[in-house]
Amino acid sequence: LAKTTQPISMDSYEGQEVNITCSHNNIATNDYITWYQQFPSQGPRFIIQGYKTKVTNEVASLFIPADRKSSTLSLPRVSLSDTAVYYCLVGSLSNDYKLSFGAGTTVTVRA
Amino acid sequence: EAQVTQNPRYLITVTGKKLTVTCSQNMNHEYMSWYRQDPGLGLRQIYYSMNVEVTDKGDVPEGYKVSRKEKRNFPLILESPSPNQTSLYFCASSLLGIGDTQYFGPGTRLTVL
Repeated sequence: LAKTTQPISMDSYEGQEVNITCSHNNIATNDYITWYQQFPSQGPRFIIQGYKTKVTNEVASLFIPADRKSSTLSLPRVSLSDTAVYYCLVGSLSNDYKLSFGAGTTVTVRA
Repeated sequence: EAQVTQNPRYLITVTGKKLTVTCSQNMNHEYMSWYRQDPGLGLRQIYYSMNVEVTDKGDVPEGYKVSRKEKRNFPLILESPSPNQTSLYFCASSLLGIGDTQYFGPGTRLTVL
């Protein structure tokens, strides 16, 4: 299970783009990178997943460089409702069953 | 609607009184797991199950039991709850392992007096 490192917190303002970088230096060949969002007292919610290059959906973009040792979650034009904790997880679709969430990145969006 | 359900959502109990928190998913997922979340400690995995009758310990299994007799259900059992098990509990499921999208339940807030 690849260990991940991400910033503890980030502050932003409404309408700005927020980029959160996660380091995963020992990522394995079969590992995928997944980001989750969690609001207080709610379970984490899937945001986006990728293996390499760039992935975009209606909520966010995920940039993964060629060496895959890091990844960046990009939240375009954030609003107050994007204030949450964001977790970066790395693991394979099989053989990885023990899951550890780090502290995540607390993103605070201000008006 | 695809979902993970947990019951009860809130529970206040006393030390030593056995309790069970149920978890059920309707997505035919192979993998299910339980987490507890405490302030400043993030989400910590208690137990997980790769399939029916196959379970294993996560990071903080002490004081908990689980069973997986059916694919859809994965109850969490506290045989003799103690105050240090006061926490917010989440159940999750996915089709495959942890690299697959995890679907989380709404949470169960447990208070042990």
